[in-house]
Amino acid sequence: AQSVTQPDIHITVSEGASLELRCNYSYGATPYLFWYVQSPGQGLQLLLKYFSGDTLVQGIKGFEAEFKRSQSSFNLRKPSVHWSDAAEYFCAVGAVSNFGNEKLTFGTGTRLTIIP
Amino acid sequence: SAVISQKPSRDICQRGTSLTIQCQVDSQVTMMFWYRQQPGQSLTLIATANQGSEATYESGFVIDKFPISRPNLTFSTLTVSNMSPEDSSIYLCSVGLASTYEQYFGPGTRLTVT
Repeated sequence: AQSVTQPDIHITVSEGASLELRCNYSYGATPYLFWYVQSPGQGLQLLLKYFSGDTLVQGIKGFEAEFKRSQSSFNLRKPSVHWSDAAEYFCAVGAVSNFGNEKLTFGTGTRLTIIP
Repeated sequence: SAVISQKPSRDICQRGTSLTIQCQVDSQVTMMFWYRQQPGQSLTLIATANQGSEATYESGFVIDKFPISRPNLTFSTLTVSNMSPEDSSIYLCSVGLASTYEQYFGPGTRLTVT
């Protein structure tokens, strides 16, 4: 079965500093990979996705992520964070479950705090 | 993308009662999904609700507890039945546009059971 691990529960970054959020997945084939952001009291917004092709994908709000097959990773990066980036970030993998249906499996999330 | 709305946005309910959550999409979609997000936790898929077929439930979720309707391509409801405090969660609906995996989420319904 597929799984997603986000090792960092909470990260604090200074405004203007760079950011990297880690995501590792487990799946036998090439997965579909996603990053979502959830602001307080809001639903989830899709930041970016990887299906195939170029392993460095660009998303909205200045975010990018790199798929590394050898490390089973899909880390999210941003060169300079803004206070409005404070939110919960979820990595997800799309794959076929043990029941044979297609589904998204989410990681446990990383809470990002921005300090002035 | 799609614009997805949910009603109610939040509710406080007594144990033993039921609540029906509505999900409305601004365009016709085949695939709709219902998730639960327990306090401080990640999202767990409850069921997939495709129009014209019975909802498919994930392991640990049953139709008697979470009945789902999907009467047309823009609307779905999830009922949380015979509620207990353990059902206190955020319930989110999502839609799959280009694929099952690329999903867009509604704002969620925050449910508190006392």
